Amino acid sequence: GAVVSQHPSWVICKSGTSVKIECRSLDFQATTMFWYRQFPKQSLMLMATSNEGSKATYEQGVEKDKFLINHASLTLSTLTVTSAHPEDSSFYICSARFGRTVHYGYTFGSGTRLTVV
Amino acid sequence: DAKTTQPPSMDCAEGRAANLPCNHSTISGNEYVYWYRQIHSQGPQYIIHGLKNNETNEMASLIITEDRKSSTLILPHATLRDTAVYYCIVRVATGNQFYFGTGTSLTVIP
Repeated sequence: GAVVSQHPSWVICKSGTSVKIECRSLDFQATTMFWYRQFPKQSLMLMATSNEGSKATYEQGVEKDKFLINHASLTLSTLTVTSAHPEDSSFYICSARFGRTVHYGYTFGSGTRLTVV
Repeated sequence: DAKTTQPPSMDCAEGRAANLPCNHSTISGNEYVYWYRQIHSQGPQYIIHGLKNNETNEMASLIITEDRKSSTLILPHATLRDTAVYYCIVRVATGNQFYFGTGTSLTVIP
């Protein structure tokens, strides 16, 4: 149980265009989801916390107007990279918190490889 | 911010135990130690967590020192599929976000 599906698994886009990444909780309701970014050979960096029905909370240094997060339902959060540039090329990973358990209740998606050309 | 220190890389022979250390000298009394691993180009996978007692599950064992300033993740019989980056994270049980440190890149050698 507690599976998070992330789509697409990889995407190539042209510089200046926008890209939307979806994160779905398949068998549970996720009131809170998290978005991470990972550059090659680096660790995961938390970008923002997405709360269902409210505005996302962004980590310091993350541009909220560039990385739009929408968490309109209990099973779906989306991250839109607006006006993408080559430096936005990265591995984006979502995570969802589920249930009342605070220990086991974090599951991660399989990630989206974004390449901006 | 990450509050843990791990060696950047380790090697382990296949079939042998892999012991991955983690220092968390500033850990608070209400913070748990979590271990996740990330196989190349995949999302992190939960391994184990603990507060102060040693813990064991089907994947690994977690040994936490008495002063809780460090811990060791033990993979009892490492296989090639255990090659991954292992992250040690400390967090309060009721906390929200996970902040990842640099992790340890474990390579299991045939």
